[in-house]
Amino acid sequence: GNSVTQMEGPVTLSEEAFLTINCTYTATGYPSLFWYVQYPGEGLQLLLKATKADDKGSNKGFEATYRKETTSFHLEKGSVQVSDSAVYFCALTSSNDYKLSFGAGTTVTVRA
Amino acid sequence: DAGVTQSPTHLIKTRGQHVTLRCSPISGHKSVSWYQQVLGQGPQFIFQYYEKEERGRGNFPDRFSARQFPNYSSELNVNALLLGDSALYLCASNLQDIREDTQYFGPGTRLTVL
Repeated sequence: GNSVTQMEGPVTLSEEAFLTINCTYTATGYPSLFWYVQYPGEGLQLLLKATKADDKGSNKGFEATYRKETTSFHLEKGSVQVSDSAVYFCALTSSNDYKLSFGAGTTVTVRA
Repeated sequence: DAGVTQSPTHLIKTRGQHVTLRCSPISGHKSVSWYQQVLGQGPQFIFQYYEKEERGRGNFPDRFSARQFPNYSSELNVNALLLGDSALYLCASNLQDIREDTQYFGPGTRLTVL
């Protein structure tokens, strides 16, 4: 079946630091890959997605590249802000599936 | 446009009771999914409905059931509540196919079972 493994947190960074959150996956079919973000007290929001190998998703300064050869979709941001403090979830859905399969989430705290 | 709405926001029940959670999708969205998010974990898929038909079911016991109405709103029912059912229940909607459409999540219903 489908599964997602995320880098464990929590992660604490200073403002303007570089952020990487690792995500690897196991999937049947041809998965689409997603990063969702959950800000404190809010619901899940789609941050970015990639639907085929070598695609790069990007939004709000965050990027992730769909690497089929390493089954990975690592999230990166070059310079984080305090407002990026949130829980980040990697997720996938595959061509023979109707649901999102989520990782356990990584809590990121950015200090001023 | 309003996003996905869920009610109630919070709910406290005791073991053995029954609960009904409600979800209204974004206007025009025909697919509704339900997820359970236990504290400290990622959301786990429970059900997906499309055009009032169940299209997918996760690994949850038969105590969990759902339905979708002609206006595409949905209810999640949980019978014989257990302490382990305490979680944030998320509803999500999308146009038709989550492999092509963005799935939008509601704020969730926080269920506490005592």
